[in-house]
Amino acid sequence: DIQMTQSPSAMSASVGDRVTITCRASQGISNYLAWFQQKPGKVPKRLIYAASSLESGVPSRFSGSGSGTEFTLTISSLQPEDFATYYCLQHNTYPRTFGQGTTVEIK
Amino acid sequence: QLQLQESGPGLVKPSETLSLTCIVSGGAISSSSYYWGWIRQTPGKGLEWIGSINYSGNTYYNPSLKSRVTMSVDTSKNHFSLILNSVTAADTAVYYCARDSTPLADNHYFDYWGQGTLVSVSS
Repeated sequence: DIQMTQSPSAMSASVGDRVTITCRASQGISNYLAWFQQKPGKVPKRLIYAASSLESGVPSRFSGSGSGTEFTLTISSLQPEDFATYYCLQHNTYPRTFGQGTTVEIK
Repeated sequence: QLQLQESGPGLVKPSETLSLTCIVSGGAISSSSYYWGWIRQTPGKGLEWIGSINYSGNTYYNPSLKSRVTMSVDTSKNHFSLILNSVTAADTAVYYCARDSTPLADNHYFDYWGQGTLVSVSS
């Protein structure tokens, strides 16, 4: 199975900060990676697919990069509505595996 | 617009069977381009993929749950189902259904999700 190691597990940040979240795969997954945002009590929402493609309707302050084993989700200027938990997901192979999540909290 | 909706009991007794159905509307479950998946989230924890199934019944399961999981599909009703046997309190979670995909539809992995349904395991 491919393990997805996400870091940090939690972080505090201020509105306007640049935020970077990393996911490392235990083996190469090409660009078969998606990023999701989940707010409390809500359904996970896909932000990024194919490692770097922005989902329609998602603000351009979100971006994804990486290929192979190392991936990054960047929020260029954190907004109040961005405080949430973020997950990566590899879908290169079965079983699908999620990162453990990164909670972005208000500083 | 594709929509997915989970249905099933919200309470299951320990050692019994959890059974959920995901009704798909706005698109055909019989498309060969997609798989259809189940994901769960235990209270306060992360997301766990349970398994995926395609229109012909081909399945992939999470190895950690494989001995207790069965998924099925009914293309005539445009829905797919999850059975989890011998449940314990550790299976208490919000269960989501979602669209998985194949390289035939490369941009559609887990793009649509149901609203989720909380299943509690308790006597």
